[in-house]
Amino acid sequence: EVQLVESGGGLVQPGGSLRLSCAASGFTFSNYWMHWVRQAPGKGLMWVSRINGDGSFTNYADSVKGRFTVSRDSAKNTLYLQVNSLRAEDTAVYYCGRGERGYSYGYVDYWGQGTLVTVSS
Amino acid sequence: SSELTQDPIVSVALGQTVRITCQGDSLRNYYATWYQQKPGQAPVLVIYGKDSRPSGIPDRFSGSSSGNTASLTITGAQAEDEADYYCNSRDNSGSRQVFGGGTKLTVL
Repeated sequence: EVQLVESGGGLVQPGGSLRLSCAASGFTFSNYWMHWVRQAPGKGLMWVSRINGDGSFTNYADSVKGRFTVSRDSAKNTLYLQVNSLRAEDTAVYYCGRGERGYSYGYVDYWGQGTLVTVSS
Repeated sequence: SSELTQDPIVSVALGQTVRITCQGDSLRNYYATWYQQKPGQAPVLVIYGKDSRPSGIPDRFSGSSSGNTASLTITGAQAEDEADYYCNSRDNSGSRQVFGGGTKLTVL
């Protein structure tokens, strides 16, 4: 059974940093693209970032580029999102998701339950 | 503003057919993916590619596309289909992904 479990969220002051983690199980982690998607309270979904299976390719939404860094550790079956220079508008539930083995449609077929990041002084 | 546009609210009578649409220039070149999200839950993939459903998704859900518009059709809507629906595809540059603003579906 595929499982994704996020952790690392919390309350942080503007300008602060966090590292979000997503522990994956039930599939061969290194074979799949992985994504981060966030959802501000009461708002819609926003795609944040993706990374390919071996970690050699990443890209980001314009609003987080230069502040967020996605990475993965296949030995630990864990996906990460380092979030720096946080702003109030980054307040959201952050979901990790499993993508495809290749990159044809860009879908996410399994999602974690999310971790809440609150940016406030 | 999102590069994919959805109607914010759509309603359908129980058992009737409803179409939820998503418009954007990138849809001329890329398929839309559709997700269902119920309150307090993570999204669920319902349609991807031309018209493919993951296992476990009822066959009353179908997808289609024409020009710059992708559609999710629910044939014979059920009470449990009441949810927010989001389309997703590449952005206009083709290098990133973007979600539509979401459609809240009410089943009357």
